[in-house]
Amino acid sequence: EDQVTQSPEALRLQEGESSSLNCSYTVSGLRGLFWYRQDPGKGPEFLFTLYSAGEEKEKERLKATLTKKESFLHITAPKPEDSATYLCAVLRSGGGADGLTFGKGTHLIIQP
Amino acid sequence: NAGVTQTPKFQVLKTGQSMTLQCAQDMNHEYMSWYRQDPGMGLRLIHYSVGAGITDQGEVPNGYNVSRSTTEDFPLRLLSAAPSQTSVYFCASRSPRTGFNGANVLTFGAGSRLTVL
Repeated sequence: EDQVTQSPEALRLQEGESSSLNCSYTVSGLRGLFWYRQDPGKGPEFLFTLYSAGEEKEKERLKATLTKKESFLHITAPKPEDSATYLCAVLRSGGGADGLTFGKGTHLIIQP
Repeated sequence: NAGVTQTPKFQVLKTGQSMTLQCAQDMNHEYMSWYRQDPGMGLRLIHYSVGAGITDQGEVPNGYNVSRSTTEDFPLRLLSAAPSQTSVYFCASRSPRTGFNGANVLTFGAGSRLTVL
């Protein structure tokens, strides 16, 4: 059974204090790992897709990395507007449905 | 370009009542799906559709019906609401194209918050 575990569940940082969010996964035949951002009262918004171990992608203060067992979302010098819940999802090859399994998310709060 | 539009945004039902959550997309996406999001749990797939006239069950389909008569619309029906269906519901769609940077990326609606008393 596919599993996606995100840690920590919640993280409170001071503005400018860099940190990383973790997404550990167990899936047979990974086709892609996705990071989404979700603001309160809104739907998830796509950030990154990673396809193979060693791949990295960056967007502003965010950088996502991927290994064979986990992905990290690094946040450098965060600002209050980076406060949100960050969701990780894995896409497996084959199987039914759309093959996506989501983690429970990390709730990130950046204090000014 | 509106993306994925869900209505209503909020709804309160009594146990046993029926209702339909509406979802429409204007991106010509073949694939559409419904998820529910509950506190402390990840998004869970209810039903999905790979094109007009084709639907299938996801992880938690019980108590929900869907149909897909057009590419644009994918309504979710609750035939007899139960308190366990209190949740936030998200509709999502994605491009059928593969092999490009946006492959398999879901575009989500803003959500419909449903409370069943």
